[in-house]
Amino acid sequence: DGGITQSPKYLFRKEGQNVTLSCEQNLNHDAMYWYRQDPGQGLRLIYYSQIVNDFQKGDIAEGYSVSREKKESFPLTVTSAQKNPTAFYLCASSTRSLGANVLTFGAGSRLTVL
Amino acid sequence: GQQLNQSPQSMFIQEGEDVSMNCTSSSIFNTWLWYKQDPGEGPVLLIALYKAGELTSNGRLTAQFGITRKDSFLNISASIPSDVGIYFCAGRDSGGSNYKLTFGKGTLLTVNP
Repeated sequence: DGGITQSPKYLFRKEGQNVTLSCEQNLNHDAMYWYRQDPGQGLRLIYYSQIVNDFQKGDIAEGYSVSREKKESFPLTVTSAQKNPTAFYLCASSTRSLGANVLTFGAGSRLTVL
Repeated sequence: GQQLNQSPQSMFIQEGEDVSMNCTSSSIFNTWLWYKQDPGEGPVLLIALYKAGELTSNGRLTAQFGITRKDSFLNISASIPSDVGIYFCAGRDSGGSNYKLTFGKGTLLTVNP
């Protein structure tokens, strides 16, 4: 079955450490996205990528970095510069033609900073 | 930036009751989307609306794209326990990127059997 796989599901990290969240899709989608979700808040866009080797900052990119070396993969690194990293992180993908109109989401990764 | 006001924030209803929730935006949107998120999972698209006045159904769910293009509502009829979750509206403004959505803060729905 096609879909999006995010790993790990749960991650704990000490302050000052970088951590990388994995996102892999086998939907043959060109575009991929990372969103952050906090309790009682809507989803906020961190980064998105329309095509391999290209990505753009979203609304809250500070303290995060991404890469898009393969069509299937869009890992997110939460750096020590991110002041409040504890959150639920969601990866999504879409076709280029439909863009964000039809997003397929992964099951999410919950990051807790101790 | 764009803002979406989604209401109510939460609802507690009895099984079998109908539910209504809505979103209003500060600017004109050309796309309205409704998602449902189960606990600990990613959101799933329920209904997509692309034209002002459009009324679309998906089983017991009905959503409408407001005539002013600044609002949308979602109705759920004859609720059942598996309707529990967080419902999000999302929209794309008329001048915005094809890849950027604005999300509401969600409506948490609880259904008592």
